[in-house]
Amino acid sequence: NAGVTQTPKFQVLKTGQSMTLQCAQDMNHEYMSWYRQDPGMGLRLIHYSVGAGITDQGEVPNGYNVSRSTTEDFPLRLLSAAPSQTSVYFCASSSMGTGNQPQHFGDGTRLSIL
Amino acid sequence: QKEVEQDPGPLSVPEGAIVSLNCTYSNSAFQYFMWYRQYSRKGPELLMYTYSSGNKEDGRFTAQVDKSSKYISLFIRDSQPSDSATYLCAMSRGGGYQKVTFGTGTKLQVIP
Repeated sequence: NAGVTQTPKFQVLKTGQSMTLQCAQDMNHEYMSWYRQDPGMGLRLIHYSVGAGITDQGEVPNGYNVSRSTTEDFPLRLLSAAPSQTSVYFCASSSMGTGNQPQHFGDGTRLSIL
Repeated sequence: QKEVEQDPGPLSVPEGAIVSLNCTYSNSAFQYFMWYRQYSRKGPELLMYTYSSGNKEDGRFTAQVDKSSKYISLFIRDSQPSDSATYLCAMSRGGGYQKVTFGTGTKLQVIP
């Protein structure tokens, strides 16, 4: 039971570099999302997707891009890394429904930007 | 003002104590209320889930929601060292609207 898998677990980048954080889920969930977690700020939504080909912005989307070509994968791209993007990034997925569906989280990618 | 306010702690209690964790919120549209537990260097995991007002009990854990006061609580009875973690409250409007708003988390340490 893999659930939500995030890679890499750790990454150090230099300012201006680009990279892609990978997220994959094997639960056939329609809804996937990316959060960043910073001390004193909690989890803040970056981007989300309600299905393949459909994405939308969350609370803090600037500097990040996403795409959803398959149900399973939802990569997050940092276009030009900045020190303010140093954070722990979590990917989550859930099924869709009339009630609230619990989100399943990966174990995070710890990203440092120098 | 944040939509969801949560005391960050840290909260330190002796083993066996009753723990009370709380959140307040401002958006009256929230219908679903959750508590997530997050161990160090791990992702959050759903602990309790409540719809609208009322109480829900699961083993040593009880979740309470008071929508009139916009106040939710998580009680942990007979706390154990394995309960040491950060507890995040979370809320959503539901109805197919999946966005969840999280509190900042309260760090709990249970001392043996």
